[in-house]
Amino acid sequence: GESVGLHLPTLSVQEGDNSIINCAYSNSASDYFIWYKQESGKGPQFIIDIRSNMDKRQGQRVTVLLNKTVKHLSLQIAATQPGDSAVYFCADLDQTGANNLFFGTGTRLTVIP
Amino acid sequence: DSGVTQTPKHLITATGQRVTLRCSPRSGDLSVYWYQQSLDQGLQFLIQYYNGEERAKGNILERFSAQQFPDLHSELNLSSLELGDSALYFCASSAGTENGYTFGSGTRLTVV
Repeated sequence: GESVGLHLPTLSVQEGDNSIINCAYSNSASDYFIWYKQESGKGPQFIIDIRSNMDKRQGQRVTVLLNKTVKHLSLQIAATQPGDSAVYFCADLDQTGANNLFFGTGTRLTVIP
Repeated sequence: DSGVTQTPKHLITATGQRVTLRCSPRSGDLSVYWYQQSLDQGLQFLIQYYNGEERAKGNILERFSAQQFPDLHSELNLSSLELGDSALYFCASSAGTENGYTFGSGTRLTVV
């Protein structure tokens, strides 16, 4: 992802439904991807990561899918809960350089009780 | 508690002033990164230090500077402040390899 000064896209889901948050990245050299969750007034918090030699990775209630062909990443949250309401960022790391993480614009997820 | 400590949590200052934000990385982490987050926007990478040396620069203004000290804590100096500098400033640290960063809780800077 690239950090750009755009307003955040939003996603609203009913409690208990599954959420899918999408992210596109631009750097073909990126080989490590991370999803972060940022709650209001707090710093970003690591959720799950995936390396470029994988196309799927699962955690607790979360799954990340990586499609390198189209440079697309998605985060799936199962059985979304009110505590999942936050801004979600994808980030990619180009390890050929200075190992800097570049963040996407983020998506604001709102869970409706 | 993420292990990354940022102080102060809040800072209100006037235009034209200079402030210093401080970050203590997680124990053992050699890399420190500074990010700026304006209201409802993404995280803009500012600068990275590794073991005391500047490693990479992002969208950092010339009015801003940073350094990392021998004990690995880092300071971000913002001078000639403008209203548009109002933002959340995050520090993150990592072990300097391929893993993700651990973020602090940020400093909210308000320039009035």
